[in-house]
Order: sequence, then structure tokens, then C-alpha cells
Amino acid sequence: SQKIEQNSEALNIQEGKTATLTCNYTNYSPAYLQWYRQDPGRGPVFLLLIRENEKEKRKERLKVTFDTTLKQSLFHITASQPADSATYLCALSISGSARQLTFGSGTQLTVLP
Amino acid sequence: GAGVSQSPSNKVTEKGKDVELRCDPISGHTALYWYRQRLGQGLEFLIYFQGNSAPDKSGLPSDRFSAERTGESVSTLTIQRTQQEDSAVYLCASSLSGSRQGTYGYTFGSGTRLTVV
Repeated sequence: SQKIEQNSEALNIQEGKTATLTCNYTNYSPAYLQWYRQDPGRGPVFLLLIRENEKEKRKERLKVTFDTTLKQSLFHITASQPADSATYLCALSISGSARQLTFGSGTQLTVLP
Repeated sequence: GAGVSQSPSNKVTEKGKDVELRCDPISGHTALYWYRQRLGQGLEFLIYFQGNSAPDKSGLPSDRFSAERTGESVSTLTIQRTQQEDSAVYLCASSLSGSRQGTYGYTFGSGTRLTVV
């Protein structure tokens, strides 16, 4: 069956360090992978999209990698700040299918001051 | 509007009652999605609307759930004869659309928190 797994339910890091979140998937051939941020009581907010033929994408302090051989995406936040504390969701979109994104269950990140 | 608007933000209902949840997408976004998020869990796809095409209802958990969309604007999600297991946050999202759906990020509303007592 198709599955999306995100690393450890919660991740605590010290302010200023780089946070690395993992998204692994099985039995998918995604064309696109997206990362979202979700704060308590709010809907997810779109951060970055990476295509299957892209290895890396950057946006300010954020970096996403996409390895279709390993079936894995890594999401990095450099110089992390307490304001980066939130739940981060990865989501996959299937090529050739005008359908919905499928979401992972998220990783809760806490950046400690 | 500037974002996706959902109403009500909170709804408490008695088991067995019907509820209707509303979503106003961003103007110009032809794609509209409903997701459900149970406490501490990920997003579960419910239904997807794209323009005038037939909706993708493959995620609706039972025939108690239905949704409609008026053209490319407002959508309503209706749950009939609510059960306690229906308690969750119901999220609506919209996006630009094209032949390559996944190229656009979704814009989510803040959700409707439904509690069935």
C-alpha cells in the first residue's frame, strides 16, 4: 500500500542550529513534492514545491531535496529561530493525475531559545 | 477575498443532527479541496472540485457525507446524521489549476472544528 512517513513525531533543536526533517514514501511515483507549515488552530501554509527532476530547491533559510531513488525528501531550516516552531507536513502529487495531494502526518518542530 | 474563508470556525452538534460547513475559496482558483484532520493526525482527503468537471468524491468516508460547489466559488460540505467519529477539523483549500495540478501550492482556510456530542 502507499505510505508517506515523516520522521519522529517531535523534533527539538537549539536556536541557530539547522533543523532537518525527513519525508519517506513507498509505492508512489510522485511528480511533485510539497512542504507545508501548520501552526496550532490554523490551516497548513504552503512553503516549497520541488519537482521529480529537481534535486534541490531553496527559499531564504529553507532548503528541500528530493531523491526519487531513495524515495525521500529532506527539509532543512538553517539558522533556526523559535518562530520556526510548528508542525511541518510533506505532501505528494501523482503525475498524470489531476487529483489531490496526499499528506504525511507531520513532524512537530520546537526550536528552543 | 484575500484568503480562503471557512465558516463556522467552530461547531458543536448533537449526534444524529445534520451539519453544513461552508468554504469561500480565493477568487480565480478553479480547484477546491476538502480535507479532514483528526486530532494529532495528518490530513485526510475528502473531495476535490475542478471547474465544471465531475468532482472526485473518492475520499468521502460514507454516504452521510456530500459536498457541492457553485460554479467556481462557494462550496458546502454536508454531514448527515453526525456521529462522534465525525469530530475533527474540516479544512478547505483552493489552488490555481492546470494540466499539471501539482505545480501549485494550496491555500488553506483555518478550518471548521466540528465536535459531535
